[in-house]
Amino acid sequence: GQSLEQPSEVTAVEGAIVQINCTYQTSGFYGLSWYQQHDGGAPTFLSYNALDGLEETGRFSSFLSRSDSYGYLLLQELQMKDSASYFCAAHTGGFKTIFGAGTRLFVKA
Amino acid sequence: EAGVTQFPSHSVIEKGQTVTLRCDPISGHDNLYWYRRVMGKEIKFLLHFVKESKQDESGMPNNRFLAERTGGTYSTLKVQPAELEDSGVYFCASSQDAGGYEQYFGPGTRLTVT
Repeated sequence: GQSLEQPSEVTAVEGAIVQINCTYQTSGFYGLSWYQQHDGGAPTFLSYNALDGLEETGRFSSFLSRSDSYGYLLLQELQMKDSASYFCAAHTGGFKTIFGAGTRLFVKA
Repeated sequence: EAGVTQFPSHSVIEKGQTVTLRCDPISGHDNLYWYRRVMGKEIKFLLHFVKESKQDESGMPNNRFLAERTGGTYSTLKVQPAELEDSGVYFCASSQDAGGYEQYFGPGTRLTVT
């Protein structure tokens, strides 16, 4: 079957750097997206990787290695407002998007 | 530009009843998606519309679920009759690109079946 694995929880300190990993097993893989969701809110798009390598958007960066079926989201200079759930999402054949179960990030002061 | 809107925000119904959820995508977005998230689990794909046509409905759990998209604008998702396991948050998303690489999500409808 098609699935994505990511850690259920990560805790980090304000100002630190945290990496959220995602491994995927899909058919017809086209790329990996990342979404942020605050409690009670809508998932919001953060980044998309179609090619291997690092994509940087401000404090957030996302990495993809297609040969390893692996990606990660890197959050730098953590702020309290970054406390949220983070989902990786794989884009597969037929334009279907498969989401992981999400990683809950707790940022401590 | 208005975002994706969903109605209602919450719905509590009894087992066996019918519920209809509505989604209004961002204007001009041909692609519309429905997802469901049961507490603590993945955001599970239900189906994908391109304009008024169903591109992929492989994620629909069973024939108690019926989705429509009138005139390629808003979409409805009807659950009839509802079962306890249908409880969860139903998200709608829309995108301009056919691949759905950047999707804009609505706030979701929290459905509780008792």
